[in-house]
Amino acid sequence: AQSVAQPEDQVNVAEGNPLTVKCTYSVSGNPYLFWYVQYPNRGLQFLLKYITGDNLVKGSYGFEAEFNKSQTSFHLKKPSALVSDSALYFCAVRDMDSNYQLIWGAGTKLIIKP
Amino acid sequence: TAGITQAPTSQILAAGRSMTLRCTQDMRHNAMYWYRQDLGLGLRLIHYSNTAGTTGKGEVPDGYSVSRANTDDFPLTLASAVPSQTSVYFCASSHSRGLEQFFGPGTRLTVL
Repeated sequence: AQSVAQPEDQVNVAEGNPLTVKCTYSVSGNPYLFWYVQYPNRGLQFLLKYITGDNLVKGSYGFEAEFNKSQTSFHLKKPSALVSDSALYFCAVRDMDSNYQLIWGAGTKLIIKP
Repeated sequence: TAGITQAPTSQILAAGRSMTLRCTQDMRHNAMYWYRQDLGLGLRLIHYSNTAGTTGKGEVPDGYSVSRANTDDFPLTLASAVPSQTSVYFCASSHSRGLEQFFGPGTRLTVL
């Protein structure tokens, strides 16, 4: 079965430090991978995607993600965290077995402390 | 560009009543989706439409219906609301299936 996992419910990082939010996946074929951010009482916002090409993908708000095929991971990263980065982050993968719908991770709450 | 709009923003509904949640996009996207978001359960797909005139069932379709008469609009109807349908509902769209989705601001529904 195709799936996506975000192993951490919450990640705490000090402002100015690098951050990583983890995502692993299991799909057949080549994965299409996505990261989204959700601020309180708001809809999800698209951050970045990997479809093909360079393993390091750059996205909005200074975020980037690294696709690692051997580890089936797509971790979200940022070199220097801001307090305003505090939000809920979702990883998603395209499910070729389910009419190409997206499978969503459970979400990771990122807390950046001043 | 407005992107995706949803109405109403919030609603309190008596159990047994019907309601239609509205969703409109102005991006000329082919695919549209309805999700519900509940604490601890993440995002769950209710129904989707890959193109105008077609619809499909997602993970949790029971109690909900949709229609896609044109490209822009994708209403979600609850025929007879039950308290378990209390949730935040998000509409989304994408250029085509399997690509990045863009979300509306959500509708917070409480069924009493």
